[in-house]
Amino acid sequence: AQTVTQSQPEMSVQEAETVTLSCTYDTSESDYYLFWYKQPPSRQMILVIRQEAYKQQNATENRFSVNFQKAAKSFSLKISDSQLGDAAMYFCAYAGTYKYIFGTGTRLKVLA
Amino acid sequence: NAGVTQTPKFRILKIGQSMTLQCTQDMNHNYMYWYRQDPGMGLKLIYYSVGAGITDKGEVPNGYNVSRSTTEDFPLRLELAAPSQTSVYFCASKPGTGLLNTEAFFGQGTRLTVV
Repeated sequence: AQTVTQSQPEMSVQEAETVTLSCTYDTSESDYYLFWYKQPPSRQMILVIRQEAYKQQNATENRFSVNFQKAAKSFSLKISDSQLGDAAMYFCAYAGTYKYIFGTGTRLKVLA
Repeated sequence: NAGVTQTPKFRILKIGQSMTLQCTQDMNHNYMYWYRQDPGMGLKLIYYSVGAGITDKGEVPNGYNVSRSTTEDFPLRLELAAPSQTSVYFCASKPGTGLLNTEAFFGQGTRLTVV
């Protein structure tokens, strides 16, 4: 069975600084996708960034980038130049052949 | 395009009652999912479906049932509600496979309280 683990329940970052959120996963599938979603207090789920497992190049979306280490089954999210609006719950997600599963989340606080 | 629509948004159930959470999507997505999110926690997969007539269990299926008679609808049935089923329930869908088809689209959630 596939699993997704986020070991940081909460992280804090100073505004304009950089923070990295960790995620590890386990799977026996060879083809899959990884995602980071943001959930603000409104409970809306917002896609932040996506990565294909067979692509070595790390995905980047503006201030958001990932460090994808396939052999280590690691998929961390780096947020640069943190903004107050980045404060939210962040979920790492795994999409395999059929299932779509999420980690337990990391609450990110941005300090002014 | 309404996307993924869940009803109701809020519901209070008494222990032992039953109810159905409705989920409809108008994007012609094959894949649909039901999750529960307990306070401060992640999303746990309850059931999923890869197309009309096909459903399968997720991580926490006990106490729930689903059906998928059409592509659009994926209702979640709670039989004999228990306090442990107090949670926020999310329905989601995605088009299919491939990177651009794997983004999940979520409903607004249903907050269920069992007392």
